[in-house]
Amino acid sequence: SQTIHQWPATLVQPVGSPLSLECTVEGTSNPNLYWYRQAAGRGLQLLFYSIGIGQISSEVPQNLSASRPQDRQFILSSKKLLLSDSGFYLCAWSLGQGAGNIQYFGAGTRLSVL
Amino acid sequence: AQSVTQLGSHVSVSEGALVLLRCNYSSSVPPYLFWYVQYPNQGLQLLLKYTTGATLVKGINGFEAEFKKSETSFHLTKPSAHMSDAAEYFCAVSYYRDDKIIFGKGTRLHILP
Repeated sequence: SQTIHQWPATLVQPVGSPLSLECTVEGTSNPNLYWYRQAAGRGLQLLFYSIGIGQISSEVPQNLSASRPQDRQFILSSKKLLLSDSGFYLCAWSLGQGAGNIQYFGAGTRLSVL
Repeated sequence: AQSVTQLGSHVSVSEGALVLLRCNYSSSVPPYLFWYVQYPNQGLQLLLKYTTGATLVKGINGFEAEFKKSETSFHLTKPSAHMSDAAEYFCAVSYYRDDKIIFGKGTRLHILP
């Protein structure tokens, strides 16, 4: 069966520090991968998604970037964190078109920027 | 463009009472529709989905939803609420040519003893 791992679960970082959040999927090949940010009362905001290695689509211009160095690995990064980067970050995967577009989510990372 | 509207950011029901969470969508093509549930500090879990076929969809934990094309709605119901149903619920829309899902802003369900 497929599983998705996200780490760390919680992170407290000072303003201006770098960020690296990692997500890996097991048990499937060539998944679509997604990074979302969730802020209270604002639902899920899609940040990046990827349909293949090295293929990244950015949905929202911001202080973050994403990379997909391997088929089942998706990394969210920042060179310098801002206070506004605080939130709950969720990684998800899907099999894409033709599979009902169901997305499966990781447990999330709670990021606090102080 | 696709969009999802969830009526009510907070809904409170008594334990044992009917749960009704409302969702309306906008889509120019036949939609795929989803309900997800999120428990505190966890990821989202799929409750149920509609793609094609039967318009009444049954999901996990006793939830069901009905696709009504004429009303562009996909409301989520459960006949009898349980304390363990307290969570945030997200309605979402997509369609078969798209790799993305559009989520609503969520409805937090409170269960009163």
